[in-house]
Amino acid sequence: DTGVSQDPRHKITKRGQNVTFRCDPISEHNRLYWYRQTLGQGPEFLTYFQNEAQLEKSRLLSDRFSAERPKGSFSTLEIQRTEQGDSAMYLCASSSWTGGNEQFFGPGTRLTVL
Amino acid sequence: EDKVVQSPLSLVVHEGDTVTLNCSYEVTNFRSLLWYKQEKKAPTFLFMLTSSGIEKKSGRLSSILDKKELFSILNITATQTGDSAVYLCAPHNTDKLIFGTGTRLQVFP
Repeated sequence: DTGVSQDPRHKITKRGQNVTFRCDPISEHNRLYWYRQTLGQGPEFLTYFQNEAQLEKSRLLSDRFSAERPKGSFSTLEIQRTEQGDSAMYLCASSSWTGGNEQFFGPGTRLTVL
Repeated sequence: EDKVVQSPLSLVVHEGDTVTLNCSYEVTNFRSLLWYKQEKKAPTFLFMLTSSGIEKKSGRLSSILDKKELFSILNITATQTGDSAVYLCAPHNTDKLIFGTGTRLQVFP
């Protein structure tokens, strides 16, 4: 399967702990996006990368959140000092800038903060 | 501020019915509009629309964009129970998709 993959699929953590999620995009895609989705809402943009450069961050992304894409391939999203309000589905998507704007989503990581 | 409004929020139909889902938007630096289907997992891509008035079709699904009036519709004909899902509209600006809250479609046999 050459789709977007995310790991882990589920994460349960206690408030105050740090968590890290990984996303592997479709191999030829140079753009990688992170979104967050809560129940009953559409996904909300968090940040995106073109190759290894982080080009935009949403104001939703507090200083507890950091994302990297060190070699322009996979990306990690870290949340420090988790809060119950961080509980959500974290979605990763990728696209090929030269191919248009179609973004293809991974299966998501569901985070539960107790 | 960018805004996407989908209607109706929820729709319950019987198999074989035809449905029309609406999406209106106000987005700066608009580039295209995408439709996604979301069941109990990540969104799956349906259509990308960039030009006004050109219908895109895929089987029983079709969609069209009006860039002057800033809306799009998604039609599903002869609905099936497998069409039950949340349908998300997402205009794309220069950098990102901006999602609506979606229309929840339930198709009963």
